[in-house]
Amino acid sequence: GQQVMQIPQYQHVQEGEDFTTYCNSSTTLSNIQWYKQRPGGHPVFLIQLVKSGEVKKQKRLTFQFGEAKKNSSLHITATQTTDVGTYFCAGRDGGSQGNLIFGKGTKLSVKP
Amino acid sequence: DVKVTQSSRYLVKRTGEKVFLECVQDMDHENMFWYRQDPGLGLRLIYFSYDVKMKEKGDIPEGYSVSREKKERFSLILESASTNQTSMYLCASSKNRGWKLFFGEGSRLTVL
Repeated sequence: GQQVMQIPQYQHVQEGEDFTTYCNSSTTLSNIQWYKQRPGGHPVFLIQLVKSGEVKKQKRLTFQFGEAKKNSSLHITATQTTDVGTYFCAGRDGGSQGNLIFGKGTKLSVKP
Repeated sequence: DVKVTQSSRYLVKRTGEKVFLECVQDMDHENMFWYRQDPGLGLRLIYFSYDVKMKEKGDIPEGYSVSREKKERFSLILESASTNQTSMYLCASSKNRGWKLFFGEGSRLTVL
């Protein structure tokens, strides 16, 4: 079945450094979503990418969807302690009506 | 904003007990989901429902059942709890298929 692989599993950075997490799917995705889960919290939706090659920005966060719609990335510029948490990608296949398949997440820690 | 409420944040049960996890959403969403979250395994879909009285198996339905008698409520049932069902259980809802998910706070279940 479809798999969404996410790397790295953990990332430790110094405050101010950049951070990137990558997702790769075994199949072409109709869209991909990104979620953030703060420590002790629940996943919260960040963004959805739909178009091939799409790039979206939210302040210091940049999201990309690959040309082949099989990979995606989240890049954070100049991390802050408020960025701490686990970032999940979730890909959807089977058309836009299919279920989401979540990656295992990247846990980000930021040292002040 | 959408509110997804899970009845219990923490539960401790004994092996063989029947366990009910309740989830209520207040935004008239069509779709509701139950996930379990385990370290290193990410979020795995147990069951989902696209309509009242409708249910479909997710990726790991064994040992679980669900009930959706009303649109706003989706219950997860463990008929006979086992220690390998110790986990964080997350309920989510979405307006329609292909839309973003709103998660509840989670229910941490420990089975002794």
